[in-house]
Amino acid sequence: GNSVTQMEGPVTLSEEAFLTINCTYTATGYPSLFWYVQYPGEGLQLLLKATKADDKGSNKGFEATYRKETTSFHLEKGSVQVSDSAVYFCALSPLQGAQKLVFGQGTRLTINP
Amino acid sequence: DAGVIQSPRHEVTEMGQEVTLRCKPISGHNSLFWYRQTMMRGLELLIYFNNNVPIDDSGMPEDRFSAKMPNASFSTLKIQPSEPRDSAVYFCASTWPGLMNTEAFFGQGTRLTVV
Repeated sequence: GNSVTQMEGPVTLSEEAFLTINCTYTATGYPSLFWYVQYPGEGLQLLLKATKADDKGSNKGFEATYRKETTSFHLEKGSVQVSDSAVYFCALSPLQGAQKLVFGQGTRLTINP
Repeated sequence: DAGVIQSPRHEVTEMGQEVTLRCKPISGHNSLFWYRQTMMRGLELLIYFNNNVPIDDSGMPEDRFSAKMPNASFSTLKIQPSEPRDSAVYFCASTWPGLMNTEAFFGQGTRLTVV
């Protein structure tokens, strides 16, 4: 079946630190991969996406590369800010597009000033 | 566009009562999803619709849960009777299906507490 595994949180970093949140997936075929972010009291928002192997998604200083050989889609940011504090979800869609998303368990990130 | 609109934002009800959650998807989107979020189980897809037709309800936990989409601009998720273990945040999301579509838009959620 399809599944997503994220590194367990919570993750606490100081401002300007380097961030990596690991994500690996299991899927048949060629899924699309996503990172969503959830700020307190809000719904999920798309952060970035990649639809085929070796694609790099990027947004707001965050990046993730679709690695088919390692079935991974790790999220990185070179210098985090307090405003990046949120819960981050890795997700896949087994079809091209956003149908029937399968989410990881989420990683809570806290950035201290 | 105002985005996906869910109501109510918060609901507190007594065990055994009927609860109805509502969702208005983004105009023009014809796929709609209901998710449940809990600390223990994370985000779970309950059911999704394409063109108002339920496509996959395999995530609906039991017969106490039902969902309808009478038209393209409205959907409900009903729990009858409610139980304390149904306490969670319920999210509705909508999207436009198609090969190039890659984003689902989420509402702000309904926090349900069953006491």
